[in-house]
Amino acid sequence: DAGVIQSPRHEVTEMGQEVTLRCKPISGHDYLFWYRQTMMRGLELLIYFNNNVPIDDSGMPEDRFSAKMPNASFSTLKIQPSEPRDSAVYFCASSLTVDEKLFFGSGTQLSVL
Amino acid sequence: GESVGLHLPTLSVQEGDNSIINCAYSNSASDYFIWYKQESGKGPQFIIDIRSNMDKRQGQRVTVLLNKTVKHLSLQIAATQPGDSAVYFCAENRNSGYSTLTFGKGTMLLVSP
Repeated sequence: DAGVIQSPRHEVTEMGQEVTLRCKPISGHDYLFWYRQTMMRGLELLIYFNNNVPIDDSGMPEDRFSAKMPNASFSTLKIQPSEPRDSAVYFCASSLTVDEKLFFGSGTQLSVL
Repeated sequence: GESVGLHLPTLSVQEGDNSIINCAYSNSASDYFIWYKQESGKGPQFIIDIRSNMDKRQGQRVTVLLNKTVKHLSLQIAATQPGDSAVYFCAENRNSGYSTLTFGKGTMLLVSP
């Protein structure tokens, strides 16, 4: 298996623009997670899905953030409009169960100017 | 406050030495713990895990120790190599609510040749 695949690896955009991050989980994993990593706050859980259904989105910063999982092999995290404080590395991870080890993708480095 | 934290933000060792990275947790209900390694520009990579019914677990060159009495977790790396240089995170499953993993801020391990 290729592991969790994220795209793009790097994204540079201007404030106010829409940003879409993409993730392909490991086949067979029923859980998909979106994390944000910054130096100040470390790894923060934004949202997670079970069988394509959002279970907990309490970590989503505000209404500018939205996430979807239209099928078992694809998820998106969208920021609209983006702001400089959204600059961070965004990781997608997947797992077989909610309380066991996560497998992370390589992340998307987002810079909002 | 941060319930999963690390005592040493940076640990510098010589190649061949044994390394010990520590982690404190505050939730006595936590029943599952994981150590991750994150190299620069990559996502966190699973190293080893342990459940609360165990005190010790060994992997290849790594050992995790769990002291539930003082809520302390440690990762021991034997014969540390330059390739071990990375940030190491502990994560706990708090066994409450949605039971997702909570990550600590991380410890940087620097291995000198």
